[in-house]
Amino acid sequence: EAGVAQSPRYKIIEKRQSVAFWCNPISGHATLYWYQQILGQGPKLLIQFQNNGVVDDSQLPKDRFSAERLKGVDSTLKIQPAKLEDSAVYLCASSTGTRLTGYTFGSGTRLTVV
Amino acid sequence: KNEVEQSPQNLTAQEGEFITINCSYSVGISALHWLQQHPGGGIVSLFMLSSGKKKHGRLIATINIQEKHSSLHITASHPRDSAVYICAVTIQGAQKLVFGQGTRLTINP
Repeated sequence: EAGVAQSPRYKIIEKRQSVAFWCNPISGHATLYWYQQILGQGPKLLIQFQNNGVVDDSQLPKDRFSAERLKGVDSTLKIQPAKLEDSAVYLCASSTGTRLTGYTFGSGTRLTVV
Repeated sequence: KNEVEQSPQNLTAQEGEFITINCSYSVGISALHWLQQHPGGGIVSLFMLSSGKKKHGRLIATINIQEKHSSLHITASHPRDSAVYICAVTIQGAQKLVFGQGTRLTINP
C-alpha cells in the first residue's frame, strides 16, 4: 500500500511570499488532515476534510492560510503571505474515518520563512 | 493545561536499558496512539489502543482507561530507537487527534 505522499519535502521562502504544499492521501481514505508542527511542539491540526468537505478548520489562520481538497482526493495547503512564525513542518495525514483504523502520516514539508 | 501531557520531555539512556514514556490525558477518548517521529519530520504510527496492552517486537504499549494514562515501553533499547515519541488521542465523538508535546529519546551506544 502506497503511503501518504507530500511535496515538496523542503521549502525556503522570504516573508510575504506565497507557498503551496501538496498531499496525496492513501487511496480510499475519506478523511484528510493538515497539521502544523513548530519545532519542539506536537502537531497542531489546521484543517480536516471528510471527502471534499471541511469538517474542522477552527485553528486555520484564514487570513493567510487556505486549503482545498477538490474531488475528495488530493489536497493543497497555501500560505499567502507567509510570516516568519509560519516556519514549521506541515504534515498531511489520512484515515478511513472510522475509529477502528489508525492514521497514516506523510513525511511532511519543512518550511523555512526567512 | 494541555489535554495530553507526556513525560519526560527528554530522555537519554544507554543501549540496552528499559525505557518508559508516560502519557496522561484529560478528555474522553475513543483511542490512544503512540507515534514515532524521526529527524526530518515523518511520523510513523506505532500503536493504536483503546484498552489493555499491545506488543510489537521490543515495543509495548499499555493503557488504563480509568486512570486516563498510557505508557510506552522499549525493552533492550538500541541507538536506532532514538527519535521523538508522540502520544496522541482521538477525541470521543470526533475523528480528530490531539497530540502531546512529544518525548525526545536518545539512546547512546
